[in-house]
Amino acid sequence: NAGVTQTPKFRILKIGQSMTLQCTQDMNHNYMYWYRQDPGMGLKLIYYSVGAGITDKGEVPNGYNVSRSTTEDFPLRLELAAPSQTSVYFCASRDRGPVQYFGAGTRLSVL
Amino acid sequence: GEDVEQSLFLSVREGDSSVINCTYTDSSSTYLYWYKQEPGAGLQLLTYIFSNMDMKQDQRLTVLLNKKDKHLSLRIADTQTGDSAIYFCAESIEDNDMRFGAGTRLTVKP
Repeated sequence: NAGVTQTPKFRILKIGQSMTLQCTQDMNHNYMYWYRQDPGMGLKLIYYSVGAGITDKGEVPNGYNVSRSTTEDFPLRLELAAPSQTSVYFCASRDRGPVQYFGAGTRLSVL
Repeated sequence: GEDVEQSLFLSVREGDSSVINCTYTDSSSTYLYWYKQEPGAGLQLLTYIFSNMDMKQDQRLTVLLNKKDKHLSLRIADTQTGDSAIYFCAESIEDNDMRFGAGTRLTVKP
């Protein structure tokens, strides 16, 4: 049971670099989410998707982009990395029920 | 500030009960959740409660919901060292809008 898989687990970026955080789920869930977790704070929603081809902004979308070309994959793109984007990023998915299932996270440092 | 508030730290002795408290602000929340996060891992759902319920029990876990005071608590009976983790309270405001507290770090001393 793979569930929600995120890659990479860790990454260090230089200011201005770009990268894509990968998220894939094998549960055939329509709903997928990206959150960031800053130290001492709760998770904040960046973007979400209710199905392939449909995405929408969450609470903190600035500096990020997403796409959802398949049900399984929901990559998060950082175009011009900034120190403020240093965080732990979590991907989650759910079916029609109320419970979100989380990946193990990607720890990103921007220096 | 956070929409969902929790105390940041709790320390208990092994075998004691732990009670983690949470207050939330949106009275229209439909579901309230408790997630557990161990070091370096993602969030693991412990339990959740529908907003029309007062209590839910699941083995060593008891969730109490006071809608009037917008207060949610998680009681862990017979706390073990393996229960040491960060516990997040969360509320579901709309289908795709979940708000999380900052987490309570539970330390269980032998």
